Amino acid sequence: DAGITQSPRHKVTETGTPVTLRCHQTENHRYMYWYRQDPGHGLRLIHYSYGVKDTDKGEVSDGYSVSRSKTEDFLLTLESATSSQTSVYFCAISPSGGGDGYTFGSGTRLTVV
Amino acid sequence: AQKITQTQPGMFVQEKEAVTLDCTYDTSDPSYGLFWYKQPSSGEMIFLIYQGSYDQQNATEGRYSLNFQKARKSANLVISASQLGDSAMYFCAMRANTGKLIFGQGTTLQVKP
Repeated sequence: DAGITQSPRHKVTETGTPVTLRCHQTENHRYMYWYRQDPGHGLRLIHYSYGVKDTDKGEVSDGYSVSRSKTEDFLLTLESATSSQTSVYFCAISPSGGGDGYTFGSGTRLTVV
Repeated sequence: AQKITQTQPGMFVQEKEAVTLDCTYDTSDPSYGLFWYKQPSSGEMIFLIYQGSYDQQNATEGRYSLNFQKARKSANLVISASQLGDSAMYFCAMRANTGKLIFGQGTTLQVKP
């Protein structure tokens, strides 16, 4: 049991279409995060959540929105996908957002054509 | 604003030798945490080591140690007795007191036999 799963694992979509990525956890952790990983940039924080309906922006939030209506799910939506949003997206969870660690999902590879 | 900097895009080390991966950070928060993660070619994010800003001792986990120099705002990772399986991308990350976790750009380490 992975404790954190991302879906889909791979997606190809067309420019201008909306896309939603899902992060699901079974750990009941309070904090959830969305990152994108691009060569030369490491992981950049898009949005994070510190509780149900409590979210905040990260470094690269433009063009992305999130929702967290229940503890276990954190959704990332690309309102109108662009080629610059082609990336690998990682979700992470943490019990307290502190030193007790962060667990990462396996990633979603998104290609916008 | 918080910032993490890894200035070494790529490093080589001979098998069985020790290697130091550099990380500097910037924050005005008195309470923060520093992490190192390993990302092998398979893509998963593997937690290696954690150092809290108030910890007096440098953190160690097996062959990994974190050289924490608070006044210099550096948190370098030392890997002793390198193994071929250590070849991977390594990320330094900082947790702010808001729970936000941000990453450096990463360092690719290659271990030579």
